[in-house]
Order: sequence, then structure tokens, then C-alpha cells
Amino acid sequence: GESVGLHLPTLSVQEGDNSIINCAYSNSASDYFIWYKQESGKGPQFIIDIRSNMDKRQGQRVTVLLNKTVKHLSLQIAATQPGDSAVYFCAENLGYGGADGLTFGKGTHLIIQP
Amino acid sequence: GAGVSQSPRYKVAKRGQDVALRCDPISGHVSLFWYQQALGQGPEFLTYFQNEAQLDKSGLPSDRFFAERPEGSVSTLKIQRTQQEDSAVYLCASSFPGEETQYFGPGTRLLVL
Repeated sequence: GESVGLHLPTLSVQEGDNSIINCAYSNSASDYFIWYKQESGKGPQFIIDIRSNMDKRQGQRVTVLLNKTVKHLSLQIAATQPGDSAVYFCAENLGYGGADGLTFGKGTHLIIQP
Repeated sequence: GAGVSQSPRYKVAKRGQDVALRCDPISGHVSLFWYQQALGQGPEFLTYFQNEAQLDKSGLPSDRFFAERPEGSVSTLKIQRTQQEDSAVYLCASSFPGEETQYFGPGTRLLVL
């Protein structure tokens, strides 16, 4: 079965609101987690990453939270914009210094309503 | 360009045909990965190269799938005797030495009729 999964396939939010996308993982040995954004017809685009020795990391308008106790990952997008519409994937690997394929979840489709 | 490039972007093949998909990684990226993404799903790992060495091919679904990277830069994913279930987007990603962050190309959308 999948090591990484998402709770909701579709998330609809109003423009300007904050979005929270959730992800559960099952491999407690995973050391590195990434969020990707994928627009239609394009490859996944890196958003933000976090290592297992951290519980929070912030980027520009995005924050990733990691709860290792319950093996849960979330992506928060502040002041959601129309350009944020996409499918968001969380991915994990064992952190072998780049020598490891990523395991992806199924993705959440974020829809922005005007 | 500075990103990962893939060609062709679209490929239509008749069942039973062989196809070859090309990936040009970011210059200086030692690690190269291939993924398969079915419609509505997340990418699934196929194989991994470090320079010219194929270190992991555990994700290749059958012996009809073959990947190579003979000079440690450009890589080719070959699918022999294509089947309808091979229809998917094939993504290539690369990363800097020692870093886990993988940067993806736009993918090749393969349709097998």
C-alpha cells in the first residue's frame, strides 16, 4: 500500500482565505518531506521541504508543519490567489542524501473561488 | 534552459510499438530519476541513476521497461511492445549531489492506442 496519502481529494477556498492541505504518512523512518504543486500539463514544481528534525518551516506565503507523533504533514498557503489553483502533492523519502526515489500521495486539487 | 527538459512532450503509439523518451537533466545534477504518473494519481518511482550507474530499478513495472544514461547526463527511458496500460505521463527529475530536493521536467504524455 501507499506510504503517503492525503485526506481530501478536493479543497475549495475563497480567494484571499488561507488554505490548509493535509497529508498522512506511514513510514516512521522517513526523514525528508516535500510539497509539490502541479498545474495541468506541467511537471511537479517544488514548493517547500522539511526534515524530520524540524516541526515547522516557513517560506513565502507557505508554511509546512510536521507532526511526527501522528505522522501528519500539512501545507498552509496564506492569502490564497487564483494562481494557487493546482494539485498539491506531499512526498517523502528516507533521506539518503539524494539516493532515494520519492513516494508521493494521490494529491489534493485546490480550487480557488472568486 | 536552466530546468529539466523532456522530449517528446506527447507521444502516441500503437500497441506493440517501441517508444523512447528522453530526459535532459539540469547541468551538474548527478542524480536522475524517472517516474510514471497515471491520470489522477501521484507520480510513482520507476528508476534512479547516479551518474551513469543505475542504482535502483525496483519500480520498473516489467522487463519491457528499460532505462539508460550512458554518459551520465542525458537519459532515455525505453518501453518495448507498448501496452494500453503504459499510457501515462512519464516524468524525469534530477537533483544536486547529496541533496534530496528533486526538480522535475514537464513530462512526456504517452498514449498507447
